[in-house]
Amino acid sequence: EAGVAQSPRYKIIEKRQSVAFWCNPISGHATLYWYQQILGQGPKLLIQFQNNGVVDDSQLPKDRFSAERLKGVDSTLKIQPAKLEDSAVYLCASSLGGSGVYEQYFGPGTRLTVT
Amino acid sequence: GEDVEQSLFLSVREGDSSVINCTYTDSSSTYLYWYKQEPGAGLQLLTYIFSNMDMKQDQRLTVLLNKKDKHLSLRIADTQTGDSAIYFCAEEYNFNKFYFGSGTKLNVKP
Repeated sequence: EAGVAQSPRYKIIEKRQSVAFWCNPISGHATLYWYQQILGQGPKLLIQFQNNGVVDDSQLPKDRFSAERLKGVDSTLKIQPAKLEDSAVYLCASSLGGSGVYEQYFGPGTRLTVT
Repeated sequence: GEDVEQSLFLSVREGDSSVINCTYTDSSSTYLYWYKQEPGAGLQLLTYIFSNMDMKQDQRLTVLLNKKDKHLSLRIADTQTGDSAIYFCAEEYNFNKFYFGSGTKLNVKP
């Protein structure tokens, strides 16, 4: 079974520029998450999708971050304009969803550096 | 549920046992999880425990849960150099939402 794919793996941009990240979850996984992991911290949930609908985006800075999951499969996360404090690893995870033990499968992440 | 706390570092010798501790705040958490993150990789689920259990053993891993104190621990028996990584505990709150701790970096010395 192929894992969660993310691209690019690394990105360096200047502040005020725009950037987009892409995630392809495991086939058949209904739930998709985007997390922000700042160096030395645990992942912080930005947005959660169930199929192509948003379940939780309460911690997404909506003035500059946006995300979509068209057709309930791939997802993109965009930052426009970027700030220095956006430097982090952006992790995508997917899961079958539902109740019970809930295993999230994580992609390798995109490391963003804002200069 | 936002304050999931872990100690930052742990150093042990190969062959010793490692104990990584975590405290959480949401008493309604259904499941609590331990994830492992190796350099440059995403998180990988190691084990989990249901909130009505006190202990769970899975090969070299033992999870202890003290619900009264909201304390979770992960014991790794016979720690190997390949166990060097960052370990995150996570609590599940509401429905399929998670808070992660800040991670404990385990260093295993040969």
